[in-house]
Amino acid sequence: EAGVAQSPRYKIIEKRQSVAFWCNPISGHATLYWYQQILGQGPKLLIQFQNNGVVDDSQLPKDRFSAERLKGVDSTLKIQPAKLEDSAVYLCASSLDRGELFFGEGSRLTVL
Amino acid sequence: AQKVTQAQTEISVVEKEDVTLDCVYETRDTTYYLFWYKQPPSGELVFLIRRNSFDEQNEISGRYSWNFQKSTSSFNFTITASQVVDSAVYFCALGRRPNTGNQFYFGTGTSLTVIP
Repeated sequence: EAGVAQSPRYKIIEKRQSVAFWCNPISGHATLYWYQQILGQGPKLLIQFQNNGVVDDSQLPKDRFSAERLKGVDSTLKIQPAKLEDSAVYLCASSLDRGELFFGEGSRLTVL
Repeated sequence: AQKVTQAQTEISVVEKEDVTLDCVYETRDTTYYLFWYKQPPSGELVFLIRRNSFDEQNEISGRYSWNFQKSTSSFNFTITASQVVDSAVYFCALGRRPNTGNQFYFGTGTSLTVIP
């Protein structure tokens, strides 16, 4: 069974530039999550999708972050414009009803 | 509100020592799930165990064991005879399952270093 796929693995941008991350969840997983993990901290939920609908985006900085999950499968997370404090690893995860979260390898963003 | 506390920020042990990672959680739900994840230096979070709130039986898997105690809201993780490969950051997480899909709350993690 293929795992959660994410790309790119690494991205370096200047502040005020834009960046997009892509995630393809495990086949059949209805729930998809984007987490932000700042160095030395635990994952923080940015947005949760159930199929192609948003369940929770209460911690998503909507003035600069956006995410979509077209057709209820893969998802894109965008940051525009990026700030220095956005430097982090962006983790995508998916789950079934059983409850385990399966994580991708993450996309490490450095904002200079 | 849901909350997970991992009071130990960093732990160092010498290889072959036993080590216990503490996890305390808060929830008002009667049904919930508890998890441990391992994050090695490569960065990917690896699932270790899932426990349902109605199952307090402790579990052992090789050198790993978990002690779930609802009375103290704790879900501690013990590594017996630690090895260098156990060096990683370990996260405890609380899961709940409203109709809108599973929700997860992570602790801040415990960084374990096993010294050869």
